[in-house]
Amino acid sequence: DGGITQSPKYLFRKEGQNVTLSCEQNLNHDAMYWYRQDPGQGLRLIYYSQIVNDFQKGDIAEGYSVSREKKESFPLTVTSAQKNPTAFYLCASSIRGNQETQYFGPGTRLLVL
Amino acid sequence: AQSVAQPEDQVNVAEGNPLTVKCTYSVSGNPYLFWYVQYPNRGLQFLLKYITGDNLVKGSYGFEAEFNKSQTSFHLKKPSALVSDSALYFCAVRTNSGYALNFGKGTSLLVTP
Repeated sequence: DGGITQSPKYLFRKEGQNVTLSCEQNLNHDAMYWYRQDPGQGLRLIYYSQIVNDFQKGDIAEGYSVSREKKESFPLTVTSAQKNPTAFYLCASSIRGNQETQYFGPGTRLLVL
Repeated sequence: AQSVAQPEDQVNVAEGNPLTVKCTYSVSGNPYLFWYVQYPNRGLQFLLKYITGDNLVKGSYGFEAEFNKSQTSFHLKKPSALVSDSALYFCAVRTNSGYALNFGKGTSLLVTP
């Protein structure tokens, strides 16, 4: 899992509640990503950021928000608008460039109470 | 759109036998292809990638993959499987923009003693 940390490992959300997942990296990578993993569906891209103060929507951005105020941090907020948030969330980072390898954090499992 | 397909949900192999996990791709332009492995409740670990050059790519833990342009395939292989290789394997391709990855649905590899 390299120099990428995600917290918490497990997170419980109540109906109507916003929750924030933390992702921090000490690899000096410019680019960071959030993926959602559901059984049998592989990973799907939520948001990505290529540089500080800039981010772009991925394939399933609805109900999620992000910020990128610091190079090493890319928090993901799961809002109440996300009606089916139960999943395993993975953060990744890489050097900018389409040949570069992405490195993943250990993940956060989000469950709805 | 750049995409990959993993036609097998599960692959079973006996320890000591060779293993192959299949992946086919569909891209416009040059394909940048990756293999990752995931152990239960963990993040993804990078195994290897194909960018250009030699069609046989060697990676971590004794794995290798063969890029075949005519068959649009990038199969993962290992000459002699270990029980500890049992895990979920993902093939991925770089997207055209933003440097994110499109993942296959994953193949569960079970190596029996």
